[in-house]
Amino acid sequence: GESVGLHLPTLSVQEGDNSIINCAYSNSASDYFIWYKQESGKGPQFIIDIRSNMDKRQGQRVTVLLNKTVKHLSLQIAATQPGDSAVYFCAETSPGYSTLTFGKGTMLLVSP
Amino acid sequence: DAMVIQNPRYQVTQFGKPVTLSCSQTLNHNVMYWYQQKSSQAPKLLFHYYDKDFNNEADTPDNFQSRRPNTSFCFLDIRSPGLGDAAMYLCATSRGSTVSEAFFGQGTRLTVV
Repeated sequence: GESVGLHLPTLSVQEGDNSIINCAYSNSASDYFIWYKQESGKGPQFIIDIRSNMDKRQGQRVTVLLNKTVKHLSLQIAATQPGDSAVYFCAETSPGYSTLTFGKGTMLLVSP
Repeated sequence: DAMVIQNPRYQVTQFGKPVTLSCSQTLNHNVMYWYQQKSSQAPKLLFHYYDKDFNNEADTPDNFQSRRPNTSFCFLDIRSPGLGDAAMYLCATSRGSTVSEAFFGQGTRLTVV
């Protein structure tokens, strides 16, 4: 069968709280970043993206912050809902590359 | 409407028996990717096609092959599945020469018995 996987970091919040999910990336040349949401048994779903010429981008209830100095990316979810429960992955790519590299995921658990 | 469609959603195969997973897209995207995702891990890129150009990741085992007969379809062939190949296999597409948002299918869960 499948090999035993690693335990994912888990963030547990109450419904209505704001959530912050963090991601560290290693390639200082990376210039494009995406946050994906993956629900159990489904493929990753695009949430929001940001290019390296920006340090903040906002969507509906979500904000992505990029700190290139420390190679850190965060996803903020406002007024978290039970439907936000999922695993969240950051992904990055570098100039000249046509592929995305995924970081380690974080499991978000939202309790009513 | 689903834009990246993977079939089947669940596949059970015997140890050592060749298996093919399929992916189709209605987006007319140039790039198609195959990722392997094991439990509680991030998706790991196996290979991708830019149009007909095949790009293999350095650490993808030879046991994994791919075909892209046309823009819409891409196949993942596992020549001799081992127990360690049990995983979720994700197909994704994106447009253009620089990566943009990648659209994922729902994945195929492969079980090896």
